[in-house]
Amino acid sequence: TQLLEQSPQFLSIQEGENLTVYCNSSSVFSSLQWYRQEPGEGPVLLVTVVTGGEVKKLKRLTFQFGDARKDSSLHITAAQPGDTGLYLCAGFSSGGSYIPTFGRGTSLIVHP
Amino acid sequence: NAGVTQTPKFQVLKTGQSMTLQCAQDMNHNSMYWYRQDPGMGLRLIYYSASEGTTDKGEVPNGYNVSRLNKREFSLRLESAAPSQTSVYFCATQERGKEGYTFGSGTRLTVV
Repeated sequence: TQLLEQSPQFLSIQEGENLTVYCNSSSVFSSLQWYRQEPGEGPVLLVTVVTGGEVKKLKRLTFQFGDARKDSSLHITAAQPGDTGLYLCAGFSSGGSYIPTFGRGTSLIVHP
Repeated sequence: NAGVTQTPKFQVLKTGQSMTLQCAQDMNHNSMYWYRQDPGMGLRLIYYSASEGTTDKGEVPNGYNVSRLNKREFSLRLESAAPSQTSVYFCATQERGKEGYTFGSGTRLTVV
């Protein structure tokens, strides 16, 4: 079973701070996705990264896929209270399975 | 455009009672999934249906059954609820392999 380790597990910061969350594995993934889950709702897809070394930006969020496609990071610049939520990464193996492995998530709280 | 609709949103059951969680999608996606989400455990796959007429077990299928009624609907049944099945249940759809999931807003189930 492929495992995705997310760190930190919890993060509590003030509005305006920068932060980075990590998603790591010993396995190679063909692609990796990031989701954000707000309280009381289902996860919502933010981005999919496919190529090793790829960087994608979504407003103040920057996503990077590691060169070896074993890890990924999410950097948020100038965090806002609206960024509060659970951030989940999900990786697809290099084999044929179309069912992703989910990490356990990073719970982010941004205080006004 | 409703996306993925789950009913009910909340439910309290007594141990031994049965119930069916409903999921309907209007996106014409082929694949549908049932996950449970528990604190510290992340998202765990219960059952999935790659296409209409097929269902397969996921990581934690014991105590559950599913029916893919048609392309739009995928239901999850608890025949004899147990306190260990207290969880938040999410239905998700996927257009094709390794694409992102679209999640419903969840059913919060408590078994007492």
